[in-house]
Amino acid sequence: QVQLVQSGAEVKKPGASVKVACKTSGYTFTSYYMHWVRQAPGQGPEWMGIIDPGGGRKINAQKFQGRVTMTRDTSTSTVYMELSSLRSEDTAIYYCARALYSGSYSPPELWGQGTLVTVSS
Amino acid sequence: QSVLTQPPSASGTPGQRVTISCSGSSSNIGSNTVHWYQQLPGTAPKLLIYTNNQRPSGVPDRFSGSKSGTSASLAISGLQSEDEADYYCAAWDDSLNGFVFGTGTTVTVL
Repeated sequence: QVQLVQSGAEVKKPGASVKVACKTSGYTFTSYYMHWVRQAPGQGPEWMGIIDPGGGRKINAQKFQGRVTMTRDTSTSTVYMELSSLRSEDTAIYYCARALYSGSYSPPELWGQGTLVTVSS
Repeated sequence: QSVLTQPPSASGTPGQRVTISCSGSSSNIGSNTVHWYQQLPGTAPKLLIYTNNQRPSGVPDRFSGSKSGTSASLAISGLQSEDEADYYCAAWDDSLNGFVFGTGTTVTVL
């Protein structure tokens, strides 16, 4: 069955960077785009970007331009999201979510379990 | 700050029909399809409706979606206690060149 397993919780200091991994299995890794979505405590989901694991094409949300880097490793079927210059407002659960079909317009369908990132001095 | 506006709350008794609205603009709902998510406490969002009115496999037909102009709606008929959750609409926004989520609606079963 399709699985998206994310890396464990992180605690970071302001100004640091965090890299979250999302290891996939059970499907052809390069056939589906992957979204990154975060959710701050008590808030709704916030879209961060999308990556094409096949061709490497990425679209970042304007809000995170220059701060977020999405990469993929086809040898391990893993996608990564790195967020830099962390501030307290970045405290949130970060999700990877496989798109319903190939293409940037495809909505997130299958979600990872989430990774809690806490930014605190 | 989301560009898709939903009512903060909705409620109904078991068996009733509840409708949730999602208001957007020409750059998102007006020109792209709408999707709906259900989020139970402590869990990741679950895709409930995609492409305006399509249900993924396993989603009960009590859930239905529609879209008209720059607005969309999610209807839950035959409301059940397990439908208590947060619901979010989402759509691609051509101006922002990205996905946007709605402000969210908490559904309570009285």
